[in-house]
Amino acid sequence: DVVMTQSPLSLPVTLGQPASISCRSSQSLVKSGGNTYLSWFQQRPGQSPRRLIYKVSNRDSGVPDRFSGSGSGTDFTLKISRVEAEDVGVYYCMQGTYWPTFGGGTKVEIK
Amino acid sequence: EVQLVESGGGLVQPGGSLRLSCAASGFTVTTNYMNWIRQAPGKGLEWVSIIYIDGTTFYADSVKGRFTISRDSSKNTLYLQMNSLRADDTAVYYCAGDTVPNNADYWGPGTLVTVSP
Repeated sequence: DVVMTQSPLSLPVTLGQPASISCRSSQSLVKSGGNTYLSWFQQRPGQSPRRLIYKVSNRDSGVPDRFSGSGSGTDFTLKISRVEAEDVGVYYCMQGTYWPTFGGGTKVEIK
Repeated sequence: EVQLVESGGGLVQPGGSLRLSCAASGFTVTTNYMNWIRQAPGKGLEWVSIIYIDGTTFYADSVKGRFTISRDSSKNTLYLQMNSLRADDTAVYYCAGDTVPNNADYWGPGTLVTVSP
């Protein structure tokens, strides 16, 4: 299986400041046909995961534009331009190019 | 609005069986891709099983031969039959629906399965 490695494990952030999470895959996520199936999910405390970003950089409906995704091949990044209190939770990257696998998660908390 | 609601979780002894259900509304289980994804307590996420529109099924190696995914068009419901349960199957089980395979567009709230003597 493709291994997804996230960093950091924990990310304390000051309200209003930016945050960045890295995700690396053990092999290229580019599928034949050219699409890259890399998604980002947010899991708030006590809730089920919610997808924020699909195919590297496409925001899901209703997701604030302070969230953005970028990257290619094996290296990807989720950025929050200005962290708000409601952004607290665990963030997971996931690849769907092969049998789906998730990263280990990054816990975002307010300093 | 898409709603997926899981049920059927509970406490079961090692070696026992359980069937999970996922009732869908605003989303048709037979014309989309449906999945089961699990999360052990305090741990990360693991994709368990997928059923394609054409009925083809796939399983994680950890559950192959023990779990069976299926669906009922008349009830618009997804199922997961779990046999020979082990302690490491203890997790919250989420139902997820996709318009494209392997994307987890929509999630249910989950149902907790605990395997313990």
